[in-house]
Amino acid sequence: DAKTTQPPSMDCAEGRAANLPCNHSTISGNEYVYWYRQIHSQGPQYIIHGLKNNETNEMASLIITEDRKSSTLILPHATLRDTAVYYCIVPQREYGNKLVFGAGTILRVKS
Amino acid sequence: DTGVSQNPRHKITKRGQNVTFRCDPISEHNRLYWYRQTLGQGPEFLTYFQNEAQLEKSRLLSDRFSAERPKGSFSTLEIQRTEQGDSAMYLCASRVYREDGANVLTFGAGSRLTVL
Repeated sequence: DAKTTQPPSMDCAEGRAANLPCNHSTISGNEYVYWYRQIHSQGPQYIIHGLKNNETNEMASLIITEDRKSSTLILPHATLRDTAVYYCIVPQREYGNKLVFGAGTILRVKS
Repeated sequence: DTGVSQNPRHKITKRGQNVTFRCDPISEHNRLYWYRQTLGQGPEFLTYFQNEAQLEKSRLLSDRFSAERPKGSFSTLEIQRTEQGDSAMYLCASRVYREDGANVLTFGAGSRLTVL
């Protein structure tokens, strides 16, 4: 079972920031938080990962709360091509740190 | 293209037939994973290889399923005596060792299996 909780769906206006929340209240001190996304009919795509500090790359920013029990993925200027299922994943050490995908959040970017 | 390549992209077969999928990972990636994804669900882990060694198999991988990675390069996933419940997208992913230990996978586009 996934260790994360995400809303099933969200809408975002094109050009606005998309903020996708994730709860991972049982995370251990040295477990990463990963975000992947899956555009329709494609394989999942890595976006970003973080441990304690906030992270930013060319795709997105990841904000992790100080207690590490939740995080937010931010797409600063969402485009129609960002419409996808977004997965927040915390691999479980007892399962060999494999990526276990939940249902994710369906993000619909609308013009 | 230096990504993960999967073939065939689509396979339609009759129940009871055998099918084989091939995955060519990124060349310097030593770990290779197979996942299965059914409609509306997230990908489910099946098995993974470190070089040529198959290190873990999910309980989802029944004895009709076999995966190989000879010489630690490409991998094949064979399903024998297919059943309608095997209809799914079969995803392959690979990764390279990172110093931070992060599990950053590169996925292929998948092989979609339809069992009639």
